[in-house]
Amino acid sequence: DVKVTQSSRYLVKRTGEKVFLECVQDMDHENMFWYRQDPGLGLRLIYFSYDVKMKEKGDIPEGYSVSREKKERFSLILESASTNQTSMYLCASSLQRGSSYNEQFFGPGTRLTVL
Amino acid sequence: SQKIEQNSEALNIQEGKTATLTCNYTNYSPAYLQWYRQDPGRGPVFLLLIRENEKEKRKERLKVTFDTTLKQSLFHITASQPADSATYLCAAEYNFNKFYFGSGTKLNVKP
Repeated sequence: DVKVTQSSRYLVKRTGEKVFLECVQDMDHENMFWYRQDPGLGLRLIYFSYDVKMKEKGDIPEGYSVSREKKERFSLILESASTNQTSMYLCASSLQRGSSYNEQFFGPGTRLTVL
Repeated sequence: SQKIEQNSEALNIQEGKTATLTCNYTNYSPAYLQWYRQDPGRGPVFLLLIRENEKEKRKERLKVTFDTTLKQSLFHITASQPADSATYLCAAEYNFNKFYFGSGTKLNVKP
């Protein structure tokens, strides 16, 4: 069974802290994504990666960075957390760049609160 | 950037009826449109994908259409059941895995 796991379901951090969100997939997928989901705004793409060490900015990359050192792991980093980064963070993976099968498999999400 | 619009008002229907959800996009036609289901506190789950050159796709009780003239996709659930109650998200894929999601429409199916 296909699985995308995220390191935490709930996280509370303080303003200015460095925050790491980890995502692991066990499907040997090429592509991995980080989204944030806010009420009324839907899912917004922060960053995605189509290969190890490769990354592309999404629509809202400001205040975030990512790391993909291994194919199965994609990390989202908040360099200095701020209250407006309080949100639900969703990681996803999909098979292959250019593949016909572009369905995304999502993790359960991490609800991050920044105080 | 592209905008994907879904009706933010919840759709309430009676069990057994057909639910129809709408997804509109602006500007360019996406290569694919996808539909996902999301239950509270969980990540979205893929349901159906339709390509730009396809008019209609079916899977069991689900049907999705893609009208490039109207810049719209419709998602239908026939013979709806209370278990179909969830939020349904539309996602448009443009180049190289660049996805834009709508904010979702909540469906309530009453017994």
